[in-house]
Amino acid sequence: GNSVTQMEGPVTLSEEAFLTINCTYTATGYPSLFWYVQYPGEGLQLLLKATKADDKGSNKGFEATYRKETTSFHLEKGSVQVSDSAVYFCALRTGTASKLTFGTGTRLQVTL
Amino acid sequence: GAGVSQSPRYKVAKRGQDVALRCDPISGHVSLFWYQQALGQGPEFLTYFQNEAQLDKSGLPSDRFFAERPEGSVSTLKIQRTQQEDSAVYLCASGSFRDRDSYEQYFGPGTRLTVT
Repeated sequence: GNSVTQMEGPVTLSEEAFLTINCTYTATGYPSLFWYVQYPGEGLQLLLKATKADDKGSNKGFEATYRKETTSFHLEKGSVQVSDSAVYFCALRTGTASKLTFGTGTRLQVTL
Repeated sequence: GAGVSQSPRYKVAKRGQDVALRCDPISGHVSLFWYQQALGQGPEFLTYFQNEAQLDKSGLPSDRFFAERPEGSVSTLKIQRTQQEDSAVYLCASGSFRDRDSYEQYFGPGTRLTVT
């Protein structure tokens, strides 16, 4: 079956620090990969996605590259801001209009 | 336009009570999903509708859980005889093709169910 493993949090960084949140996956077939973000008190929002190997998804300064050889989709940002404090979920989907399989989430806290 | 809405946002139920959670998807969205998110965990799939047809209910944890979408729009997740382990946030998502090659799910804010 499908599964997603992401690094445990919380991750605490100072503003302007470099961020990496690791995500690896196991899937049957060729999944699409996603990062979702959940800000305090808000619903899940799609942050970025990649649908095939070597694709890079990017949004709001965040990036992740679909690495089929290492089954990974690590999230990176060069300089985090306090407003990036949230919970980040890695997820995959096999098939177009089908269910998402999520990791357990990584809480990021950015301090001044 | 309006996003996915869910009601109630918070529900406290005594153990053994029945609850009904409502999801209003984005207008015109064919796909609708329910997920359960336990505290400190990622969302887990419960069930999926395409229009009014329930195509996948493999994630429903027991026969106490029942979902319907009778007119292919609003959906209701019903939990009978609630147990403490049912305490979680229940998320609804509706989906559509943004363009020919891009399908996305849009999530509602969730209903936080606490069973006492």
